[in-house]
Amino acid sequence: NAGVTQTPKFQVLKTGQSMTLQCAQDMNHNSMYWYRQDPGMGLRLIYYSASEGTTDKGEVPNGYNVSRLNKREFSLRLESAAPSQTSVYFCASSEEHRRANYGYTFGSGTRLTVV
Amino acid sequence: AQSVTQLDSHVSVSEGTPVLLRCNYSSSYSPSLFWYVQHPNKGLQLLLKYTSAATLVKGINGFEAEFKKSETSFHLTKPSAHMSDAAEYFCVVSDPGNTGKLIFGQGTTLQVKP
Repeated sequence: NAGVTQTPKFQVLKTGQSMTLQCAQDMNHNSMYWYRQDPGMGLRLIYYSASEGTTDKGEVPNGYNVSRLNKREFSLRLESAAPSQTSVYFCASSEEHRRANYGYTFGSGTRLTVV
Repeated sequence: AQSVTQLDSHVSVSEGTPVLLRCNYSSSYSPSLFWYVQHPNKGLQLLLKYTSAATLVKGINGFEAEFKKSETSFHLTKPSAHMSDAAEYFCVVSDPGNTGKLIFGQGTTLQVKP
């Protein structure tokens, strides 16, 4: 049982390049989330998908887009990467957004550097 | 609005001594609270959670936390630190507005000295 799988694990981009971070979960969870982690700031929510077919902005959505491709997959796209988007990105899932009090399952992260 | 404050950015203890990581929260509702641990270059793992049942919550690896509503605190403790406990710890509160969002504290780095 893999849980939440993120690809790639590491990526270096040049300013202005685009890329898509992939996330897939095999727990039949309804809700999925993208967070970024920066030193001293904890994790901040970028976008989330409460259920298949819906997406909503989180705390720091600017510069990102998302797609909930199906129940399993939730991708994060950077259309024109900027150095400020250098961060570690985590995907997470939960059984249902109203039951987040049961906690999330996190992926192992994507370490992105924009030069 | 919900918020979480971790009172120490860095805590250093000797192996075998007690651990205390402090967390205060702000919430207009009965919150759900969590502690997550992140080992270097790893993802986040749920240590324990409080969801309005018993106020003393036991988690994995000997950790526990006590919910104190009067003090708006949810401090994490362990009687005896082990070298493998060295990691970053996050106190987290859930957004009660049925959005499923989790609000993270800034994190506390726990150093365990031999």
